[in-house]
Amino acid sequence: DVKVTQSSRYLVKRTGEKVFLECVQDMDHENMFWYRQDPGLGLRLIYFSYDVKMKEKGDIPEGYSVSREKKERFSLILESASTNQTSMYLCASSLDGNSPLHFGNGTRLTVT
Amino acid sequence: ELKVEQNPLFLSMQEGKNYTIYCNYSTTSDRLYWYRQDPGKSLESLFVLLSNGAVKQEGRLMASLDTKARLSTLHITAAVHDLSATYFCAGVIIQGAQKLVFGQGTRLTINP
Repeated sequence: DVKVTQSSRYLVKRTGEKVFLECVQDMDHENMFWYRQDPGLGLRLIYFSYDVKMKEKGDIPEGYSVSREKKERFSLILESASTNQTSMYLCASSLDGNSPLHFGNGTRLTVT
Repeated sequence: ELKVEQNPLFLSMQEGKNYTIYCNYSTTSDRLYWYRQDPGKSLESLFVLLSNGAVKQEGRLMASLDTKARLSTLHITAAVHDLSATYFCAGVIIQGAQKLVFGQGTRLTINP
């Protein structure tokens, strides 16, 4: 079974802090994704990566950056956290362009 | 730009009844996914529909795709309590990787 592991389940940060959300997958998948999930809005794509050191903006990249130095790891960075970034963050990976996404358990981030 | 809309967003039904969740999308999508999410859990892939007229069934759930109408449906037959969850559909844009665009989700509650 594919395992996508997000390092924290719950996180509380203060406004202005730099926040790192980590995601690791163990199946040598090419593609990795970061989504945020908000009630009534479904999941919205923040950034994705289809290869090491490659990154592409999703639909809502503002206020975020990402890093993919190794194939198995995809990090989401909030440079200066704001209260409107309070959300559930979901990482996902897929083998290739034709395969379904496998999701991690999510990180619920609260910015106060 | 691909937009995906689900309805209804909330559905409360009794065990034993049948119902359908609808998923409309705005432009061509290579395929259509259905996911399930239990409270506090991650998303679990249910179905991937690849072509017009595709139908997939698993237990009491059946998904279909009409690419001409840009419509997918998830039909629940003789609902049971264990099917209570939030269901998401997602269309796909191929842009380097397979980008999923999600609907808002349908929260399904099945009462005994």
